Amino acid sequence: ILNVEQSPQSLHVQEGDSTNFTCSFPSSNFYALHWYRWETAKSPEALFVMTLNGDEKKKGRISATLNTKEGYSYLYIKGSQPEDSATYLCAFNVGNYGQNFVFGPGTRLSVLP
Amino acid sequence: GAGVSQSPRYKVTKRGQDVALRCDPISGHVSLYWYRQALGQGPEFLTYFNYEAQQDKSGLPNDRFSAERPEGSISTLTIQRTEQRDSAMYRCASSFSGRHTGELFFGEGSRLTVL
Repeated sequence: ILNVEQSPQSLHVQEGDSTNFTCSFPSSNFYALHWYRWETAKSPEALFVMTLNGDEKKKGRISATLNTKEGYSYLYIKGSQPEDSATYLCAFNVGNYGQNFVFGPGTRLSVLP
Repeated sequence: GAGVSQSPRYKVTKRGQDVALRCDPISGHVSLYWYRQALGQGPEFLTYFNYEAQQDKSGLPNDRFSAERPEGSISTLTIQRTEQRDSAMYRCASSFSGRHTGELFFGEGSRLTVL
């Protein structure tokens, strides 16, 4: 059974704090890791698609790194704002062409003003 | 369409009834995925299609669940003889390329409640 884990399960930070959380996945047969942002009552939206070991991607104040050899990815948020409050999901792709994505349970971030 | 469209948005049914959930993916998207999401949890894979071919149905919980995508576009997830444990949000997603680099675009989901 393929297991994708995320930690912490939930996180509360003050506005302006920087934070990071982790996605762990199997280190063998890696194809891709996706990060999604999911606001309550909305649908998950893609943040990053990461494919290469050592990849670092950035979108505004949010960035992500990837270590495929040890099987983890970090998501960083610099200077958290209340609008960053959401659940952040990672998804591990189990094959090269259109194979299914296994999602982690998510990290729920609350940014307090 | 502009986005992934799912219907109905909400479905309340009595135990034992059959339900059909529909997904209309973004036009031209090769892959279509069905996920089930319990409250506060990440999406749980059910099945996916490339064009009209069902590539993987290993996530379907039992034989009461089935899905089809006969013309490679709209898909229907059918749950027969519904049970209370089937209550969940059912999300559909599509991907343009069907490759591992293709991000998933999710619909708004169909929330199923089985009484």
